[in-house]
Amino acid sequence: AQKVTQAQTEISVVEKEDVTLDCVYETRDTTYYLFWYKQPPSGELVFLIRRNSFDEQNEISGRYSWNFQKSTSSFNFTITASQVVDSAVYFCALSEYSTSGTYKYIFGTGTRLKVLA
Amino acid sequence: SAVISQKPSRDICQRGTSLTIQCQVDSQVTMMFWYRQQPGQSLTLIATANQGSEATYESGFVIDKFPISRPNLTFSTLTVSNMSPEDSSIYLCSGGRQRPYNEQFFGPGTRLTVL
Repeated sequence: AQKVTQAQTEISVVEKEDVTLDCVYETRDTTYYLFWYKQPPSGELVFLIRRNSFDEQNEISGRYSWNFQKSTSSFNFTITASQVVDSAVYFCALSEYSTSGTYKYIFGTGTRLKVLA
Repeated sequence: SAVISQKPSRDICQRGTSLTIQCQVDSQVTMMFWYRQQPGQSLTLIATANQGSEATYESGFVIDKFPISRPNLTFSTLTVSNMSPEDSSIYLCSGGRQRPYNEQFFGPGTRLTVL
């Protein structure tokens, strides 16, 4: 069955520390997509990144970087030099195709990141 | 990214009543979804809203409790019927793009409290 595991329920770091959020997935599909979303206290989900199963290149966007490894079914997210504004819940998600040809997301349980000043 | 608006942003309702939540998406998306996020929990897909036809519900969710309409490509409503305190959650609408993107963009959510 398709599954997304975020084993870290909550992480606390001091500002300027680096932090890595783990995401491990299970899927039967050979073509799939993985995503990271940020949910700040306001509640809105903010899209951060999409990665398809054929693209194992790591990606860097400012202080954010993502490490995708198919061999270990992991899609980890690192924030460098964390800031208080990074405090949020972060969700990893996997898209799964249905028999009708549409897709839906399976979300992990989320990791709450607290960055302390 | 796509622009997704949702209203109301929050509401406090009495047990046994119903609340209809509206979602408007911009034209960049073709798919619409409704999710529930119970306090401190992850997102659970309620249903995929289909334009002009009945929504496709996930296991554990039924039309009588969560009727959904999508009369056109960019607008959908979710009704939470006969509410109980267990329905207190954030309800989120999302707009999704088809392959090859498979991206979903989320509205700000509706925080529902049932007394």
